[in-house]
Amino acid sequence: QKEVEQNSGPLSVPEGAIASLNCTYSDRGSQSFFWYRQYSGKSPELIMSIYSNGDKEDGRFTAQLNKASQYVSLLIRDSQPSDSATYLCAVLLLPPNSGYALNFGKGTSLLVTP
Amino acid sequence: SAVISQKPSRDICQRGTSLTIQCQVDSQVTMMFWYRQQPGQSLTLIATANQGSEATYESGFVIDKFPISRPNLTFSTLTVSNMSPEDSSIYLCSVETSGALEQYFGPGTRLTVT
Repeated sequence: QKEVEQNSGPLSVPEGAIASLNCTYSDRGSQSFFWYRQYSGKSPELIMSIYSNGDKEDGRFTAQLNKASQYVSLLIRDSQPSDSATYLCAVLLLPPNSGYALNFGKGTSLLVTP
Repeated sequence: SAVISQKPSRDICQRGTSLTIQCQVDSQVTMMFWYRQQPGQSLTLIATANQGSEATYESGFVIDKFPISRPNLTFSTLTVSNMSPEDSSIYLCSVETSGALEQYFGPGTRLTVT
């Protein structure tokens, strides 16, 4: 069973703070990792992808990957109320094990308070 | 990223009927996928829509219930057949465009079965 685990939250942070979202996965064969943001009533929007151990930064977002610990995280700096959404962690196993199926966690609800 | 549209955006259907959902992309894409997001849940892959051949279904999903067509590289349909209230979900198509394994989602179709 391929598991992608996230704390459901809600995670509440004050405006301007750093929000830290965490994700663990069970399958060591996982090779690609993605963070999606989903506003209520909307479809998921890709924020970050990360494929190698270490940090990847894009604006206020930093993705961190540690394959040895099977752990991926997303940091949001200078959090804004508009960042309030559900953040989905998704993990991809490359063929031939699973085709291109993205395995999603259940998401963490983030609330940024003014 | 590609512009993805879905029709209809929402529908209310009676049990026992079928609904066909369309997914249109503004550029040719190799990979198209269909996902389901049940209320309060994360996304689950239904199938990969293959151009020119039968779709590849994930465990728990069968062609008789969810027939899929992919006549060309910009269009796909998903039919939800013989619907029951348990089929009430958001149905999303996604595409992989860049070769970087990143998937982008359409706006979704919200289906309610009464």
